[in-house]
Amino acid sequence: QVQLVQSGAEVKKPGASVKVSCKASGYTFTSYGISWVRQAPGQGLEWMGWISTSNGNKYYAHNLQGRVTMTTDTSTSTAYMELRSLRSDDAAVYYCARAYGDVWGQGTTVTVSS
Amino acid sequence: DIQMTQSPSSLSAFVGDRVTITCQASQDINNYVNWFQQKPGKAPKLLISDASNLDTGVPSRFSGSGSGTDFSFSISSLQPEDIATYYCQHYNNLPRTFGQGTKVEIK
Repeated sequence: QVQLVQSGAEVKKPGASVKVSCKASGYTFTSYGISWVRQAPGQGLEWMGWISTSNGNKYYAHNLQGRVTMTTDTSTSTAYMELRSLRSDDAAVYYCARAYGDVWGQGTTVTVSS
Repeated sequence: DIQMTQSPSSLSAFVGDRVTITCQASQDINNYVNWFQQKPGKAPKLLISDASNLDTGVPSRFSGSGSGTDFSFSISSLQPEDIATYYCQHYNNLPRTFGQGTKVEIK
């Protein structure tokens, strides 16, 4: 079946980096882009950016530019999201989603704590 | 960037009631709107795309309408399993911003 499986929970110190993976299966990876969305505790959904899995084009939310990098590895059908210089307000559940949101990963909890 | 203004932020209704949520875009987005349902601790689930197209397997009590800048989402007969937070999102261009969410509860 079509699914996105994300990497496990992470605990990071302020200033560190985190890299979350999102492995696709059940469909042709390069036929659909991948979006990343995060949700801070008790808050709404925040769209972080999008990457084309066919040509690598990407678009990042303005508030994350300079700290976020989205990449893909088509050989393993995996998308990655790296966030650097972590702050306490980056603590959230991070989701990957296929294309326009018809398939979502299970979410990865990122805790930022000294 | 296009802003999506969603209201109300929360609502409480009886089982069987009709509930409606609205979303207003800051500029014309054609019909490029998704509606998602999110239950606590779970990933969002796509209910409606293109403003009014029900995703596969979504009960027919859910519906969406609108085009341009004004959109609405309705549950014709609220059920206990519909307790969740609902979000609109546009995909007219990038960034694909979400509305603030509407928490739906049972009276």
